[in-house]
Amino acid sequence: DAGITQSPRHKVTETGTPVTLRCHQTENHRYMYWYRQDPGHGLRLIHYSYGVKDTDKGEVSDGYSVSRSKTEDFLLTLESATSSQTSVYFCAMGRAGPYEQYFGPGTRLTVT
Amino acid sequence: GIQVEQSPPDLILQEGANSTLRCNFSDSVNNLQWFHQNPWGQLINLFYIPSGTKQNGRLSATTVATERYSLLYISSSQTTDSGVYFCAGCFTGTASKLTFGTGTRLQVTL
Repeated sequence: DAGITQSPRHKVTETGTPVTLRCHQTENHRYMYWYRQDPGHGLRLIHYSYGVKDTDKGEVSDGYSVSRSKTEDFLLTLESATSSQTSVYFCAMGRAGPYEQYFGPGTRLTVT
Repeated sequence: GIQVEQSPPDLILQEGANSTLRCNFSDSVNNLQWFHQNPWGQLINLFYIPSGTKQNGRLSATTVATERYSLLYISSSQTTDSGVYFCAGCFTGTASKLTFGTGTRLQVTL
């Protein structure tokens, strides 16, 4: 969806370094999400936000933190990257309630 | 826990063939979505279908919420249909969080 972007699109980093991924949306959607995609697992929810400064954990939140200081931006931080966090990360947005979610283009992160 | 199961896991079709992909879910859903992940990794929304039937060109989808399944129909398949198809459900009591199936990998050959 053209209204949601992610940066960077690709990143290679070393074990133990901090990494921040950014998601930016222009649709003024209340909800934003971070997922990771790994072979054999589909997409799994890491964290989500239901408003500015309002966030909650998903099913695979260990090792990740998030922040949302503005409606349009949702940041995912790996405080100390590990090889198990090598993955493709997708951000999504949606209106409040069980409505349709729209996904960004993804960020491929490699931790060496 | 909540489960979303997709079948078949892999499917190879000749161009022009029809196919049906199935998604079973373990609990009541408020939202059911189908996505196509193309070979470049992009996730494309196909259908938002918590119940009923929808059609979009050669694709259609049906969700029978009371029986906890959804079907995606692809007719007259084309090579551009190749990729992975995911269904994902937002379950009652889980706010707006989607739970994904593990996908059906479709390859359409000439």
